[in-house]
Amino acid sequence: GEDVEQSLFLSVREGDSSVINCTYTDSSSTYLYWYKQEPGAGLQLLTYIFSNMDMKQDQRLTVLLNKKDKHLSLRIADTQTGDSAIYFCAETNILTGGGNKLTFGTGTQLKVEL
Amino acid sequence: DAGVIQSPRHEVTEMGQEVTLRCKPISGHDYLFWYRQTMMRGLELLIYFNNNVPIDDSGMPEDRFSAKMPNASFSTLKIQPSEPRDSAVYFCASKPGPLDGNQPQHFGDGTRLSIL
Repeated sequence: GEDVEQSLFLSVREGDSSVINCTYTDSSSTYLYWYKQEPGAGLQLLTYIFSNMDMKQDQRLTVLLNKKDKHLSLRIADTQTGDSAIYFCAETNILTGGGNKLTFGTGTQLKVEL
Repeated sequence: DAGVIQSPRHEVTEMGQEVTLRCKPISGHDYLFWYRQTMMRGLELLIYFNNNVPIDDSGMPEDRFSAKMPNASFSTLKIQPSEPRDSAVYFCASKPGPLDGNQPQHFGDGTRLSIL
């Protein structure tokens, strides 16, 4: 089956930029998502990008997509302590399951230090 | 706007007991999804419904698991009999239908299930 991989941990200082990386195997991925999970909570959608886009920016968040390398990244500018959470990358393919079956990465735990 | 609502938030029960998890999707959403999250396996899709009809249940682990959606505003996931390896966080998610484009899924806060 398809696979999505992420590094497990990232530690940054408050005020710095964070870059969380994700690689995927499905060359036909149509949509790619970033979700945030805080302790004891569900997954909160942060942003998503359609595969025909290279970049998407939303306030402090910038998503970069390199389709050739099947690499997705999430950059958080001016990282705050409230950004500490687990970040999940997910992909779906419209051609299989109508875009309803998400494949999630293992999640990256972001720790923001003062 | 009310999000996806799940109940209970926490459930602790003994093995062999029946467990019922409940979900109310966002009003107007046509799709409903049940996921399981564990440390070992991450997030797994168990089953999803479209307009109350089960579309793909290939992720349901065993016959002990069953899910229903009797109407557009309510779904249940039942485990009978429960086993300790069923301990996990179970999430429900919903999303609008295809007429709104491929909208993302919105998740509830989950039910943390512990089987002793």
